[in-house]
Amino acid sequence: EDKVVQSPLSLVVHEGDTVTLNCSYEVTNFRSLLWYKQEKKAPTFLFMLTSSGIEKKSGRLSSILDKKELSSILNITATQTGDSAIYLCAHFGNEKLTFGTGTRLTIIP
Amino acid sequence: DGGITQSPKYLFRKEGQNVTLSCEQNLNHDAMYWYRQDPGQGLRLIYYSQIVNDFQKGDIAEGYSVSREKKESFPLTVTSAQKNPTAFYLCASSIHRASYEQYFGPGTRLTVT
Repeated sequence: EDKVVQSPLSLVVHEGDTVTLNCSYEVTNFRSLLWYKQEKKAPTFLFMLTSSGIEKKSGRLSSILDKKELSSILNITATQTGDSAIYLCAHFGNEKLTFGTGTRLTIIP
Repeated sequence: DGGITQSPKYLFRKEGQNVTLSCEQNLNHDAMYWYRQDPGQGLRLIYYSQIVNDFQKGDIAEGYSVSREKKESFPLTVTSAQKNPTAFYLCASSIHRASYEQYFGPGTRLTVT
């Protein structure tokens, strides 16, 4: 059974800080790792990482896949209050997503 | 507007009653999914369907049932056999079974007392 673990479970920082969210995975056949942002209800897609695309960046957000350590990080620089959300990591394999527990990020103005 | 709709947003039921959550999509997607989200537990897969008239159990299917009679609709029934039905339920769809990108609906928060 595929397993995805995220840490920390929650994080509170001040606006302008840089944060790093962690995701580790234990899967039978790695296909791709995805990051989602969930602000109130529906998660929205951020990044997908594969063996051939291990680093992605979009504005202040970036993500890296470490195939040796079976993990990924999501970095957010110069955080803003709008970054407050639950960040979900998921493995896509066997035609379905397996999600981690999520990290609840709170940005204090 | 294309997208996924779930109704209602909030649902309250008494223990012992079955309840059906609606999920409709007009994206012409083949695959549809139901997830349950509890605090501190992320999303867990209940059922998924990759084509009309076919569906598979996910990781936590006990106490739930689904149907997929039309491509655009994938209703979820929470039966009285589900021990802890109070949760946030999310429906999603993807263009086909091998697509990683799932589009999520706004969710239904079910409270059973």
